[in-house]
Amino acid sequence: AQSVTQPDIHITVSEGASLELRCNYSYGATPYLFWYVQSPGQGLQLLLKYFSGDTLVQGIKGFEAEFKRSQSSFNLRKPSVHWSDAAEYFCAVGARGSQGNLIFGKGTKLSVKP
Amino acid sequence: KAGVTQTPRYLIKTRGQQVTLSCSPISGHRSVSWYQQTPGQGLQFLFEYFSETQRNKGNFPGRFSGRQFSNSRSEMNVSTLELGDSALYLCASRAGEGSPLHFGNGTRLTVT
Repeated sequence: AQSVTQPDIHITVSEGASLELRCNYSYGATPYLFWYVQSPGQGLQLLLKYFSGDTLVQGIKGFEAEFKRSQSSFNLRKPSVHWSDAAEYFCAVGARGSQGNLIFGKGTKLSVKP
Repeated sequence: KAGVTQTPRYLIKTRGQQVTLSCSPISGHRSVSWYQQTPGQGLQFLFEYFSETQRNKGNFPGRFSGRQFSNSRSEMNVSTLELGDSALYLCASRAGEGSPLHFGNGTRLTVT
């Protein structure tokens, strides 16, 4: 079955520290991969996407993610976290030709300590 | 360019009633998808429309339906509301194949 796992429900990091959010997927073929962020009461904002090519993708707000096919992972990283990064982060996968139908992970809530 | 617009932002309905939610996609986007977000089940795909045709449907009962108009605007309808339908309903649009989804801010539906 197709699925996305975000193992960490809640992560707290200090402002200025580095961040890595984990995402593992189970999918029949090489999927399209996405990271979205959601602030309270808001919709989802696209941080970055991987469709093909270079496995290290850059996104907005200083985020990057690396696609590792052998590990079925697409972890999100940021070298220095800002207080405004506190939000919930969702990893998602979609099939080529059907990116309107995404499978989302349960999300990781990020808290930032001053 | 304006983003995805969903109306209304908040709705309170009574069990057994029906509700219609509206979504205006980003200008030029012809594909619209709907998602339900709840604390327990997370984000779940409802359906996708392209050029007024339903392309995909998630695993929801027939009480959940949708449609898309010629101007790409979309509506979803939930009939015979149940308490468990309380959720944030998110609409998203995309430009086409190889394009990511862009989400609106959602409609928060509360069923009492």
